[in-house]
Amino acid sequence: QKEVEQNSGPLSVPEGAIASLNCTYSDRGSQSFFWYRQYSGKSPELIMSIYSNGDKEDGRFTAQLNKASQYVSLLIRDSQPSDSATYLCAVINSGGSNYKLTFGKGTLLTVNP
Amino acid sequence: NAGVTQTPKFQVLKTGQSMTLQCAQDMNHNSMYWYRQDPGMGLRLIYYSASEGTTDKGEVPNGYNVSRLNKREFSLRLESAAPSQTSVYFCASSDRQAHVFGQGTRLTVV
Repeated sequence: QKEVEQNSGPLSVPEGAIASLNCTYSDRGSQSFFWYRQYSGKSPELIMSIYSNGDKEDGRFTAQLNKASQYVSLLIRDSQPSDSATYLCAVINSGGSNYKLTFGKGTLLTVNP
Repeated sequence: NAGVTQTPKFQVLKTGQSMTLQCAQDMNHNSMYWYRQDPGMGLRLIYYSASEGTTDKGEVPNGYNVSRLNKREFSLRLESAAPSQTSVYFCASSDRQAHVFGQGTRLTVV
């Protein structure tokens, strides 16, 4: 069973701080990694994708990938109350051509004003 | 640009009733998916269609059937609803990489 693990949280940070969200995956051959944000009662929306080792920055968001350690993280700088949501890590597993995503159970982030 | 559209948004069924959840995408994506999301369980894949004319089981297919009607549309059918199928259902589509999700259907089976 190919798994994606996340701390369920809740992770609570003050406004303006850096929020760090972590994810590990079991399939060493995985090639594509995604972070989704899901507000309560809403559908997941893509915020970051990363495919190569290292860092990828987009505005206040930075995704970090370490394939050797099978670890992917999301940093949110200058956290805002509007960032309060559940963050889902997702991985496309190796093999096949069906591009199925395996999701972690998500980390609930609360940013306190 | 509508993206992925699901109908209905809410539904209450009695045990044993049947219904079909509809999903349509306008992004010309090849692949479409149905997930269910339950508290503490995350998103779990029910069925997927890698391309028009093909469908395959996901992690939790029991009690469901699907039809890929054409490239745009992918429906999910519950033939005899059970309380265990109370959940939020999401349809998604993709073109090789990241999924785009519909707004979800909240289904309650009583």
